[in-house]
Amino acid sequence: QVQLQESGPGLVKPSETLSLTCAVSGGSIRSYYWSWIRQPPGQGLEWIGYMSYSGSSNYNPSLKSRVTISLDTSKKQFSLELSSLTAADTAVYYCARARNSWYSVNFDYWGQGTLVTVSS
Amino acid sequence: DIQMTQSPSSLSASVGDRVTITCQASQDINNSLNWYQQKPGKAPKLLIYDVSNLETGVPSRFSGSGSGTEFTFTISSLQPEDIATYYCQHYDNLLFTFGPGTKVDFK
Repeated sequence: QVQLQESGPGLVKPSETLSLTCAVSGGSIRSYYWSWIRQPPGQGLEWIGYMSYSGSSNYNPSLKSRVTISLDTSKKQFSLELSSLTAADTAVYYCARARNSWYSVNFDYWGQGTLVTVSS
Repeated sequence: DIQMTQSPSSLSASVGDRVTITCQASQDINNSLNWYQQKPGKAPKLLIYDVSNLETGVPSRFSGSGSGTEFTFTISSLQPEDIATYYCQHYDNLLFTFGPGTKVDFK
């Protein structure tokens, strides 16, 4: 059974950089898109970006200037860095596996999520 | 960019009711439409992919249909464990977009 587990600080100061890691267990890291998604308190889901095993990546245009996602295949983990934080970045951050289906790409496995609060 | 809308934003229903949620895209999205269920404090769960395909292990009371720009998600007989927020999601041109969500609770 595939499992994803986020780790990282729960509190980060404004203007600093958030670093989160997602450990993947129980499945292959090949052939998928390894993604980050966030959800501000009481709001909907916002896709942040992905990195694939082949090294391709893409980010939400609204966050692109501040986001870096990397993949460590030897450790079976991937990471998110989000810079220049403001209070608006306070959210639950999920890591997720995206897979290809016939017509689409969808998120079939998710981590439990980790709440990150941006505050001084 | 393609925009996704959902209606209604919330609804109240009784156990056993048929529940229908609509997801509309700003342009034809060629069957690239998935549905998720999110219970409070939990991660979203994939229910339906490619408009109408039930994810493994998902009860058959959940279904999806539609084409082009308008898609429907249906719970044929609402159960207590179905109280959640439901999101549609589209993928195109390396970008993922979620709808704003529909909160389903009991009357």
